[in-house]
Amino acid sequence: NAGVTQTPKFQVLKTGQSMTLQCAQDMNHEYMSWYRQDPGMGLRLIHYSVGAGITDQGEVPNGYNVSRSTTEDFPLRLLSAAPSQTSVYFCASSSRLPGQETQYFGPGTRLLVL
Amino acid sequence: AQSVTQPDIHITVSEGASLELRCNYSYGATPYLFWYVQSPGQGLQLLLKYFSGDTLVQGIKGFEAEFKRSQSSFNLRKPSVHWSDAAEYFCAVGPSGAGSYQLTFGKGTKLSVIP
Repeated sequence: NAGVTQTPKFQVLKTGQSMTLQCAQDMNHEYMSWYRQDPGMGLRLIHYSVGAGITDQGEVPNGYNVSRSTTEDFPLRLLSAAPSQTSVYFCASSSRLPGQETQYFGPGTRLLVL
Repeated sequence: AQSVTQPDIHITVSEGASLELRCNYSYGATPYLFWYVQSPGQGLQLLLKYFSGDTLVQGIKGFEAEFKRSQSSFNLRKPSVHWSDAAEYFCAVGPSGAGSYQLTFGKGTKLSVIP
């Protein structure tokens, strides 16, 4: 049981490049979320999904796209990277079962946009 | 809209001393409340959570937190701090029931421990 995994661990991009941050979970969780963490800002919700085929925007969705074709995977896409997207990105998953709605976080992806 | 305030950006305590980290939240209904800990360069680890019932909850590593509805607070405590507790601590609030996918986090409190 690997929990929540994220790849890559670290990435450097040039402004305008695109990339996909991968997130996978093996806990059969219905809910998955993407957050970004910036110094002094805590974590802010980018996008979330309540199940395969269903996604919605969080607090800071601009510049990011998501899709969820399977329960296990929830990739985050940057279509045209900007320096403001330099951050640490965390993926999380949780169950929708009553009493088990705790988010478990992946190890994070550090992204540097030059 | 829900919000979380952690008034202390940085706290320094001596090893063996007691610890209290403050968390105040704003939420229209009964929330789910969480404390997470993050060591440098690492992900977030759940310390404890409050969903309902007993307002004093016990977590891992000897931590506990008390939910006070009248004060909209969920402060984290530990009676005796260890050097390994040095980390950043985040309080988070989310909708009760279905909705745990959209947590709102505080900005964090960095804990330093003096040997």
